[in-house]
Amino acid sequence: NAGVTQTPKFRVLKTGQSMTLLCAQDMNHEYMYWYRQDPGMGLRLIHYSVGEGTTAKGEVPDGYNVSRLKKQNFLLGLESAAPSQTSVYFCASSPHREGKNIQYFGAGTRLSVL
Amino acid sequence: GEDVEQSLFLSVREGDSSVINCTYTDSSSTYLYWYKQEPGAGLQLLTYIFSNMDMKQDQRLTVLLNKKDKHLSLRIADTQTGDSAIYFCAESKTAGGKLIFGQGTELSVKP
Repeated sequence: NAGVTQTPKFRVLKTGQSMTLLCAQDMNHEYMYWYRQDPGMGLRLIHYSVGEGTTAKGEVPDGYNVSRLKKQNFLLGLESAAPSQTSVYFCASSPHREGKNIQYFGAGTRLSVL
Repeated sequence: GEDVEQSLFLSVREGDSSVINCTYTDSSSTYLYWYKQEPGAGLQLLTYIFSNMDMKQDQRLTVLLNKKDKHLSLRIADTQTGDSAIYFCAESKTAGGKLIFGQGTELSVKP
């Protein structure tokens, strides 16, 4: 069981470039999330999805887009990268049953925007 | 607001107990969680507590919940160097299935 897999693990972009981060889960979870982690700020929710074909904005959605075309995949896109988007990005999934929202995390993608 | 607050650093000696504190804001949160993040890795669930409980014990871990003060704590007994990590508390928001995380407490265990 792979759990939650994120690709790529590392990436360096130039300002203005675009890229897509891929998250895949093999646990048949309904809910999926994208967070960014910055020093001293904990995890901030970018976008999330409560099921295939749905997406919703989180706390810091500006500059990002997402898609959930298949239940097992959740893609995070940066259309025009900015240095402020230098961060570690984490994907998570959750079965979200009976009020419990236990989230399972990937290992992260470390992104630098120069 | 939706802030979950934690102190940023804690340093203890190996073999001592560690207590990591957290305050949350939403009295309607049904579950509260503790996650552990080791260097270079994602977060892993350590334990969680249902809001109608005051305490939960799981081997070396004890979670205390004071709903009146919206205060959550995690006690690690007999702390080991392998416990060095960042610990996050989180509260669940019933709307939309979101978790709100604290800033994380970096625990340093010295031999």
